[in-house]
Amino acid sequence: QKEVEQNSGPLSVPEGAIASLNCTYSDRGSQSFFWYRQYSGKSPELIMFIYSNGDKEDGRFTAQLNKASQYVSLLIRDSQPSDSATYLCAVHSNSGYALNFGKGTSLLVTP
Amino acid sequence: DTAVSQTPKYLVTQMGNDKSIKCEQNLGHDTMYWYKQDSKKFLKIMFSYNNKELIINETVPNRFSPKSPDKAHLNLHINSLELGDSAVYFCASSQDTLTNPNGYTFGSGTRLTVV
Repeated sequence: QKEVEQNSGPLSVPEGAIASLNCTYSDRGSQSFFWYRQYSGKSPELIMFIYSNGDKEDGRFTAQLNKASQYVSLLIRDSQPSDSATYLCAVHSNSGYALNFGKGTSLLVTP
Repeated sequence: DTAVSQTPKYLVTQMGNDKSIKCEQNLGHDTMYWYKQDSKKFLKIMFSYNNKELIINETVPNRFSPKSPDKAHLNLHINSLELGDSAVYFCASSQDTLTNPNGYTFGSGTRLTVV
């Protein structure tokens, strides 16, 4: 299985700050990249999708993709305590039929 | 209506038993998946079916057997349960993940505890 790496954290940021979550992947043929948020005891929910190099913004979330460096990141602006969750990076390659997930980064936003 | 529904939500059973988890999706998706999430939150693909045909069978003990009677259903049967099978099992469905911005829709998960 192709590898998707994330720092497990926990990443702690104060309320209102920017949270930066990072992900690297090993398969250079990867085409689509997703960020999922998972609250404790719940199922993952999709928050961002990106497939082109550069930035993609949706509300307080910005995904950044750099295929040359095999790196994808998620920025959360104006972090709220409700953003506290595990963030899963998922990658889909041309040669694969399923998403490969990283082990997730735990984010804690403190009031 | 729940888009991807799994039953049961919780399953506690003894070692050596055989159990099944059911999954149904009403999204009209062509592909369904089973993922296992361990205690460290790592989501690992187990199986994938596309239009009732198996397309992924990762290195999973053959005690695990998926069954897809139609493209809206994907069940998971587990024989001779072991302590290490304890985990949360997620069913998911998708149309096409390669460029589809909707990705996967996950079920609510089945927490399996083997005692």
